[in-house]
Amino acid sequence: GESVGLHLPTLSVQEGDNSIINCAYSNSASDYFIWYKQESGKGPQFIIDIRSNMDKRQGQRVTVLLNKTVKHLSLQIAATQPGDSAVYFCAENMENAGNMLTFGGGTRLMVKP
Amino acid sequence: DAGVIQSPRHEVTEMGQEVTLRCKPISGHNSLFWYRQTMMRGLELLIYFNNNVPIDDSGMPEDRFSAKMPNASFSTLKIQPSEPRDSAVYFCASSLVQASEAFFGQGTRLTVV
Repeated sequence: GESVGLHLPTLSVQEGDNSIINCAYSNSASDYFIWYKQESGKGPQFIIDIRSNMDKRQGQRVTVLLNKTVKHLSLQIAATQPGDSAVYFCAENMENAGNMLTFGGGTRLMVKP
Repeated sequence: DAGVIQSPRHEVTEMGQEVTLRCKPISGHNSLFWYRQTMMRGLELLIYFNNNVPIDDSGMPEDRFSAKMPNASFSTLKIQPSEPRDSAVYFCASSLVQASEAFFGQGTRLTVV
């Protein structure tokens, strides 16, 4: 499915450069955070997660940073590739909220070859 | 596993008609979520189930929307009667245990004319 379109913030990067996508969350009680990637015509796909007892977590080419003081989350993509072009969402979960994830508005990443 | 399976992928219906969207979660997952995605509102949680029991349906827009989960491997989202403003992509997702990543299906694009 197409993601939010006209009003999405867009980040445009050159292939090979690093990308940083930011997300501000609102609930200080949130204790679990996920980054999702959504390509055109597809559902959101899990990239990486982090719990509130950590401030950094690394995956393959991706790093998530969590700053609980300012309620800020970022996703860093190293050596960005054309296949990374998509909309990226952060999602938060609050303890005692069951499995319910609340999604941010998304950021569109465009990679220029 | 084939992942979360939704049907149909596309649905076009006339205003006033009943629409039923279907979802098969990943086998063994005990939480199931229905989301709606639009350009204006992004990804919204409509309802979620734990162990086939509806836990939070506060996101269901109005009484025209209903969801059921008769067993662990099947859920439906029904809109009756449908209206043009219901046009959106509807996603089903499933997950294991508390505060874990949710796996999304490919979505159903609904168009009500």
